[in-house]
Amino acid sequence: DQQVKQNSPSLSVQEGRISILNCDYTNSMFDYFLWYKKYPAEGPTFLISISSIKDKNEDGRFTVFLNKSAKHLSLHIVPSQPGDSAVYFCAASSSGSARQLTFGSGTQLTVLP
Amino acid sequence: DTEVTQTPKHLVMGMTNKKSLKCEQHMGHRAMYWYKQKAKKPPELMFVYSYEKLSINESVPSRFSPECPNSSLLNLHLHALQPEDSALYLCASSQTVEKLFFGSGTQLSVL
Repeated sequence: DQQVKQNSPSLSVQEGRISILNCDYTNSMFDYFLWYKKYPAEGPTFLISISSIKDKNEDGRFTVFLNKSAKHLSLHIVPSQPGDSAVYFCAASSSGSARQLTFGSGTQLTVLP
Repeated sequence: DTEVTQTPKHLVMGMTNKKSLKCEQHMGHRAMYWYKQKAKKPPELMFVYSYEKLSINESVPSRFSPECPNSSLLNLHLHALQPEDSALYLCASSQTVEKLFFGSGTQLSVL
């Protein structure tokens, strides 16, 4: 049973436009959410996070939105750049899971020049 | 130094071989992790070491044996693996549980 789902395996966006990556979760105990980015032949790198007490967190071109009632979060990248092309993993944790991360299956973002 | 270094980057082994994966970090992180990732799948947690003690073992088969010699080093000893164990093995460390720093991984192929 996948508790964190990324239903879009891939997304293509034109350079300069907005990229929106989506993530849904089923475990209502999750209270901390993160996005990781992964380039080929590298390990995932932390991008941005959000606590369940907030509904938005922004860091430069990256903004994460959390909708707790819908159990949905999204990552917005504006403007998108070719260097953003990577696999993006959504992850979640709860105190009940000893704060260990549960990852989604990832979305391959391709930003076209 | 904000790196987690994993060696080797690639490993091919037979089902009767014994090999070890190594991981090193010098960020002073007290938690270190082994994850397994199959193609197009999310990373799956295998083991967690906290303050050099094994704190989580996610029901991993005994053919995988972790070892934490000190706070900077983490090993994963492999013995009698199966072809289905072929995957990318990722090491990570963290100061807070959620913000993991990952290494580049070891791509393991079991023949």
